[in-house]
Amino acid sequence: DAKTTQPTSMDCAEGRAANLPCNHSTISGNEYVYWYRQIHSQGPQYIIHGLKNNETNEMASLIITEDRKSSTLILPHATLRDTAVYYCIVRVVGSGGSNYKLTFGKGTLLTVNP
Amino acid sequence: DTGVSQDPRHKITKRGQNVTFRCDPISEHNRLYWYRQTLGQGPEFLTYFQNEAQLEKSRLLSDRFSAERPKGSFSTLEIQRTEQGDSAMYLCASSLFPKEAYNSPLHFGNGTRLTVT
Repeated sequence: DAKTTQPTSMDCAEGRAANLPCNHSTISGNEYVYWYRQIHSQGPQYIIHGLKNNETNEMASLIITEDRKSSTLILPHATLRDTAVYYCIVRVVGSGGSNYKLTFGKGTLLTVNP
Repeated sequence: DTGVSQDPRHKITKRGQNVTFRCDPISEHNRLYWYRQTLGQGPEFLTYFQNEAQLEKSRLLSDRFSAERPKGSFSTLEIQRTEQGDSAMYLCASSLFPKEAYNSPLHFGNGTRLTVT
């Protein structure tokens, strides 16, 4: 089962920041937080991941609370092309033999409006 | 980096027929995953390979499903005696394990949409 809780849907105005929340209150010390998005009829697209520090790349920023029980994905200037389902996933990572698969929930449908 | 490629993009078949899908991962990636996604749901894990070895299969992968990765490069997923409940998007992903860090992300293809009539 997915270990995260996300709102079913959110709206955002074009050009504004989109802040997508995620709760992962049972996260373990060896679990990273990953974000993917899926635009209609395409495969999931990797956005960003982090362990405990805030992360930023060319697509987004990831803010993880100090207790690691929740995080927020920030799209700084949302465009119409950012309309997609956004998945927050916790994933075990380490040097052992696990397959480190991604377990998806239902995600948040972000609709960016003109 | 040409990305993960899946073929065909769409497949319509009649119930009872066999179908086969192909996935070409990113060239240096040694791990390959298959997922299935039905309407309104997130992708569900089916199976994964490290090189040519199939290391885990989900309970979702019934006996009618078989996956292979014979030379550790491309992979095929075959469904025998298709049923209407098999209608879904079949997604392939690949990753490099281990990399400098063990947290390299999975990269997905755009899937094969199967419709069983």
